[in-house]
Amino acid sequence: EVHLLQSGGGLVQPGGSLRLSCAASGFTFRMYGMDWIRQAPGKGLEWVSSISRGGTDTYYADSVKGRFTISRDNSKNMVFLHMHGPRAEDTAVYFCARSETRDFFAYWGQGALVTVSS
Amino acid sequence: EIVLTQSPATLSLSPGERATLSCRASQSVRSYLVWYQQKPGQAPRLLIYDASNRATGVPARFSGSGSGTDFTLTISSLEPEDFAVYYCQHHSSWPLTFGGGTKVEIK
Repeated sequence: EVHLLQSGGGLVQPGGSLRLSCAASGFTFRMYGMDWIRQAPGKGLEWVSSISRGGTDTYYADSVKGRFTISRDNSKNMVFLHMHGPRAEDTAVYFCARSETRDFFAYWGQGALVTVSS
Repeated sequence: EIVLTQSPATLSLSPGERATLSCRASQSVRSYLVWYQQKPGQAPRLLIYDASNRATGVPARFSGSGSGTDFTLTISSLEPEDFAVYYCQHHSSWPLTFGGGTKVEIK
């Protein structure tokens, strides 16, 4: 059974840093791209970032480009989202998701709330 | 960036009624359009991929249609568990984008 277990959410100060983690199990991790999608409180879904199977290709939404970094460790079946200098508008529930063949999402993590506030 | 516009924002219906949800793209996304269902406090659930293919385990009352810029999600007869928010998402180019959602609520 595919399972994505997230960790690392919480309160972070504006301008600080935070790393979100997502541990995958139940499938051959290195064969799938992985993504992060977020949802601000009471709002809709926003795609944040994608990383290719081998980690060589990454993509970002304009809203986070230059501030967030996606990475993965295929030896540990994990994907990460490093948030550098977060802003109040980055407050959201962050989901990791497995990217199917053409970048849609059949499997999602449970979500992790990130609150950016002083 | 491709903008997806969902309508209506809210749909008030009774169990047993038919629901028709629309998703319009600002430019063609071919058939690279998916639909998700989300309930409060939960991650989204994939319903339809490639505009018209039901995901594994999705009941036959859910169907998708369309191509290019105009897409429809139809729920033929609403069950109590279908009252939720529905999102479309395209995956034809970067950046991936989602529609703003349609809330299907009990009338």
